Amino acid sequence: GAGVSQSPRYKVAKRGQDVALRCDPISGHVSLFWYQQALGQGPEFLTYFQNEAQLDKSGLPSDRFFAERPEGSVSTLKIQRTQQEDSAVYLCASSPGSNYGYTFGSGTRLTVV
Amino acid sequence: AQSVTQLGSHVSVSEGALVLLRCNYSSSVPPYLFWYVQYPNQGLQLLLKYTTGATLVKGINGFEAEFKKSETSFHLTKPSAHMSDAAEYFCAVSEINSSASKIIFGSGTRLSIRP
Repeated sequence: GAGVSQSPRYKVAKRGQDVALRCDPISGHVSLFWYQQALGQGPEFLTYFQNEAQLDKSGLPSDRFFAERPEGSVSTLKIQRTQQEDSAVYLCASSPGSNYGYTFGSGTRLTVV
Repeated sequence: AQSVTQLGSHVSVSEGALVLLRCNYSSSVPPYLFWYVQYPNQGLQLLLKYTTGATLVKGINGFEAEFKKSETSFHLTKPSAHMSDAAEYFCAVSEINSSASKIIFGSGTRLSIRP
């Protein structure tokens, strides 16, 4: 497609439930990023892929968070045993390469109840 | 380490007035700088970016920003505000020549336009 697509658009999870968030980047974009945006805050970096390689995962807040991009295109962010503090909008972005500026998807709003 | 400071979490201007959103950055190497806009329940849209060359950068929707190295600033301006400019604006910085670069965002400035 023409843009970055994220699904689902909204997700409500019970505390302790596992969730998986999907990102379809722009075709041919080698760089893919995940960000977490809490209400009223700026996006916080989670992790970065170049093709299928995860080059930076320094922003993942705990070992409950896991991201993959096995074929260098679609990426999945998985959160295990969700907690209330995980409630946020999760944004995915892709880029042709470093420092070009990103194209963002519309995000997945996760609410943990 | 890079960081971005946006002065003023909320700015309100009258329709037709000058818009000025302030951004200061910290970076140990020459930075790439960005401004993004976010409308409610949407992702972020790139307004403009500075990489190298001309320090005055023009973006979409009539916005522009000037890179001032001596002041470590990258303020966003628009001569005349429109109602449609009401949104959240984020300044961001990325390091040049970093093999695994990431963009660091400021905390955002909400722009309101008074009729």
